[in-house]
Amino acid sequence: DVQMTQSLSYLAASPGESVSISCKASKSISNYLAWYQQKPGEAYKLLIYSGSTLQSGTPSRFSGSGSGTDFTLTIRSLEPEDFGLYYCQQYYEKPWTFGGGTKLELK
Amino acid sequence: EVQLVESGGGLVQPGRSLKLSCLASGFTFSNYGMNWIRQAPGKGLEWVASISSSSSYIYYADTVKGRFTISRDNAKNTLYLQMTSLRSEDTALYYCAKGPRRGYYFDYWGQGVMVTVSS
Repeated sequence: DVQMTQSLSYLAASPGESVSISCKASKSISNYLAWYQQKPGEAYKLLIYSGSTLQSGTPSRFSGSGSGTDFTLTIRSLEPEDFGLYYCQQYYEKPWTFGGGTKLELK
Repeated sequence: EVQLVESGGGLVQPGRSLKLSCLASGFTFSNYGMNWIRQAPGKGLEWVASISSSSSYIYYADTVKGRFTISRDNAKNTLYLQMTSLRSEDTALYYCAKGPRRGYYFDYWGQGVMVTVSS
């Protein structure tokens, strides 16, 4: 199975700052990577797919980069509603697997 | 607006069965693949099963293969997960998720339904 590693479990930042969340695959997955956001009491929300393509409705302050094994989700100028949990997921091969998650907290 | 509403969860004894349902609305259900994903308490996300739009292609995680069955009724806009021989490690919040036209990521998720396997 492809192991997905999000090296940071927690990340503290303040509104207006920019942050980057990393995700590393145990083998090359090309750009078959998605990013999700979860906020308390809400359904998971797809932010980005194909490594860097914004899902409809995702604010432009979000961006995704990377290919192969190393990927990054960047949020520029954090808004209060951006604090929550972020997960990456590979869909290069079955079983589709997720990273362990990064909790973005208010500093 | 896409809506996915899961139901059928609850407390069940080890070895027993349970069937989850997911009622979909806001999109043409019969055109899209659907999925089940679960999250055990305090743990990460685990993909469970996927089914193509016409049920031609079905895939399972090894942890549930032979015990769980994913199915769909396109006339009822409903996705199912029949779970048998349940184990304590199947305790989790089960999410129904819609797939895109191509690819195996998940573009819409339900709120989840809790399944607790305990004696």
